[in-house]
Amino acid sequence: GESVGLHLPTLSVQEGDNSIINCAYSNSASDYFIWYKQESGKGPQFIIDIRSNMDKRQGQRVTVLLNKTVKHLSLQIAATQPGDSAVYFCAEKTAGGGADGLTFGKGTHLIIQP
Amino acid sequence: DAGVIQSPRHEVTEMGQEVTLRCKPISGHNSLFWYRQTMMRGLELLIYFNNNVPIDDSGMPEDRFSAKMPNASFSTLKIQPSEPRDSAVYFCASSSRLGEQYFGPGTRLTVT
Repeated sequence: GESVGLHLPTLSVQEGDNSIINCAYSNSASDYFIWYKQESGKGPQFIIDIRSNMDKRQGQRVTVLLNKTVKHLSLQIAATQPGDSAVYFCAEKTAGGGADGLTFGKGTHLIIQP
Repeated sequence: DAGVIQSPRHEVTEMGQEVTLRCKPISGHNSLFWYRQTMMRGLELLIYFNNNVPIDDSGMPEDRFSAKMPNASFSTLKIQPSEPRDSAVYFCASSSRLGEQYFGPGTRLTVT
């Protein structure tokens, strides 16, 4: 029979515009969140993280917002560039103190149009 | 820093054969993770180690899968016997106590 794969949400933005990628997480006990970027043929690459005692964190051209009330995470990329084209994953980790495995979301495919 | 190193990068094997994937974590990292990525299921955690000790292997699909970490600088993921449904990209990641995980380039496994 026909195989059905993941239908990744796709976000298409013009080069130079800002982009916002959203993620809903399910575990209210999660206390650490990470955004990863995965380019074709490569492993996920760390972008930015945030702990549950914060609601906003900024990096270089990226900002992560955390809304624990509705269990929502977003990644904002300013002035998108062609190199930003990739699949973006949010990941969460529950409280535990040490390094534990991450639970990944399904991913969003960001396409930058010239 | 060389980052996480995985070998081989590509593996093609026939059903029933044994497959061994290898990983060298970043020096100084005390946690190592094995993930599997497929179109059907996305990125899934298989098993992870802290200080060379397996902590959680609940993600390992079945007894055909096994993982070892004999020392702080080396880990293997073995599939015996392999099946076509094991075809996927297998990632190894490592982290320090701070939690940020660094991923290797992955091994693309094809079982025919």
